[in-house]
This record gives sequence, structure tokens and C-alpha cells, in this order.
Amino acid sequence: GQSLEQPSEVTAVEGAIVQINCTYQTSGFYGLSWYQQHDGGAPTFLSYNALDGLEETGRFSSFLSRSDSYGYLLLQELQMKDSASYFCAPMDSSYKLIFGSGTRLLVRP
Amino acid sequence: NAGVTQTPKFQVLKTGQSMTLQCAQDMNHNSMYWYRQDPGMGLRLIYYSASEGTTDKGEVPNGYNVSRLNKREFSLRLESAAPSQTSVYFCASRDGGGDTEAFFGQGTRLTVV
Repeated sequence: GQSLEQPSEVTAVEGAIVQINCTYQTSGFYGLSWYQQHDGGAPTFLSYNALDGLEETGRFSSFLSRSDSYGYLLLQELQMKDSASYFCAPMDSSYKLIFGSGTRLLVRP
Repeated sequence: NAGVTQTPKFQVLKTGQSMTLQCAQDMNHNSMYWYRQDPGMGLRLIYYSASEGTTDKGEVPNGYNVSRLNKREFSLRLESAAPSQTSVYFCASRDGGGDTEAFFGQGTRLTVV
């Protein structure tokens, strides 16, 4: 089976840094993906980590520790438009694509 | 390219009615997925198709059926709609397993009264 845990909600101030954690349990693990979804919109892909360590893409970075079954998404220089839900999704040897329950990020002025 | 196209965008059904949600992708992807998302909740996998000719149950398959009509199209059918099936339905596709990015349609907002 598979299990995922993310915080349900995170609040941060514009310009700050926020970290959204994800712990997972899955067999045949390949890597961890992150998706963003604005209210009323469709999810969109943000990043993928296959190896341990930090991957940086602009203001967003994603981290993976395979030994700890843990990853996080780091958002820097927060902007109001970053207010959205963020989902982690472990990739495994099946073709299933299962998402965590999501973390709702509220960015305040 | 249109990406992933879902029809209809909105639908209201009466309890017991049936309907089919359509999904088509033009990216030549092998795998396709159907999810439901209830207000304030995450995405729950209903059914998926790893490749043309195969379909498998996801996390919440009860009350639904699917058809992978060809490589492009993956439909979701509600045989006898129930109010508990009121949700937003998303279709997604990706090229295969591993690290490939999934692309989502814009969703179908279904209300069952």
C-alpha cells in the first residue's frame, strides 16, 4: 500500500520562506513529485526529485531524503500568487499516480 | 496543442441518472487517470489506464466505470448517480511511469441533486 502525510495548512507572510513537508510510504519508490493547484484550477507540475538532495527551480526548491521517506517543497520570496494548494506525489514502479491530501498555503501581505 | 480536454465542464444530474465524462489528450501519452476532488480535499484516484487496452481501479472506484477507447480517449461513466458523487472530476495523462510529468484537464464540475 501507500501512505502520505502533509500538513493541511500553512500560513506565511509575503516575502518570507515557507517549507511544506511530505512523508510517504510506498513500495518500489522512484522519486517524489510536487504539484500546485490554485482555487478553481487544475493541478500543475512543479518539480520532481529522483535523487537525495535539493533541486532548485527559481524561487521553488524541492528536497528528498530516500532513507527517511521524506521530502519538502521550499518556496522563497513568497508572493501573493503563491497562495494555492500543494500536493506531493510519490512515483513508484506501478503506473498509479496517488496524491497526498494537500497543503493549503495562505500568503498574507 | 490542446493538451487534455474534458467535456462537459459543468453538469447537473438527478439522482439515479447516468452520464459519461469524456477525456481526450493529444500528447500521445500512454497513461491516463481519473480523479475526483471534493471541496477543500485532495485528489483521489478513481481509475487509471497504464496503457491502451488496460484499466485498473484506484482508491475510490465504487460507483464508476471506465473505458479506454483508444490511446487518446479515456471516459468515466456514472451508471446511477448519487449525491455523494457530487465533486469536481479531473482527467490527467502522462507518458508513462517514473518521473514523467502529469498533465491535467480543466475539470468537470458535477452536481447530483
